[in-house]
Amino acid sequence: GNSVTQMEGPVTLSEEAFLTINCTYTATGYPSLFWYVQYPGEGLQLLLKATKADDKGSNKGFEATYRKETTSFHLEKGSVQVSDSAVYFCAPSNQAGTALIFGKGTTLSVSS
Amino acid sequence: SQTIHQWPATLVQPVGSPLSLECTVEGTSNPNLYWYRQAAGRGLQLLFYSVGIGQISSEVPQNLSASRPQDRQFILSSKKLLLSDSGFYLCAWSAGFANTGELFFGEGSRLTVL
Repeated sequence: GNSVTQMEGPVTLSEEAFLTINCTYTATGYPSLFWYVQYPGEGLQLLLKATKADDKGSNKGFEATYRKETTSFHLEKGSVQVSDSAVYFCAPSNQAGTALIFGKGTTLSVSS
Repeated sequence: SQTIHQWPATLVQPVGSPLSLECTVEGTSNPNLYWYRQAAGRGLQLLFYSVGIGQISSEVPQNLSASRPQDRQFILSSKKLLLSDSGFYLCAWSAGFANTGELFFGEGSRLTVL
């Protein structure tokens, strides 16, 4: 079945630094790709998504591009804020297209 | 608006005891329903999903089972808990997954097996 690997954390950055969280997947066919975020004390919520190759998902200053050639969906932000501190999960859809397969999550800590 | 509720929020159970976690969605019909487990160091693992009443797909073999007795109700069960069943269980729903893929998560149930 489909699977995902994302970079292990924690990632510690200073405010206004550039962020990259790597995510690669293995899949049969072309899954939809998602990034979810879990802020401290809150539930998981959708951050952004891309449903086909070369699509770019974006939200709250974060971006990720669906790269079919490298089977990747890296999350980037040009200037992180303290409020971005959270756990980030990369998630491709499963082979049947009916559920999401989550990565282990990457903890981001941003200090001022 | 749609809401999702799961309970109990916290549960401490002895090894070998049964388990029942319940999840209910309101404000929508025919949702896809999911059970995930979030264990330390292992991320979020898909356990079961359901695209309709009585339709359950199991993603991994384990000591747990799921049932969907009603359209908006999803139950996670075990007859005899193991220590390895400890974790944070999340119920989620989606509407027309093929269209949006967005999952909406409940607040979670923390299970400790002693």
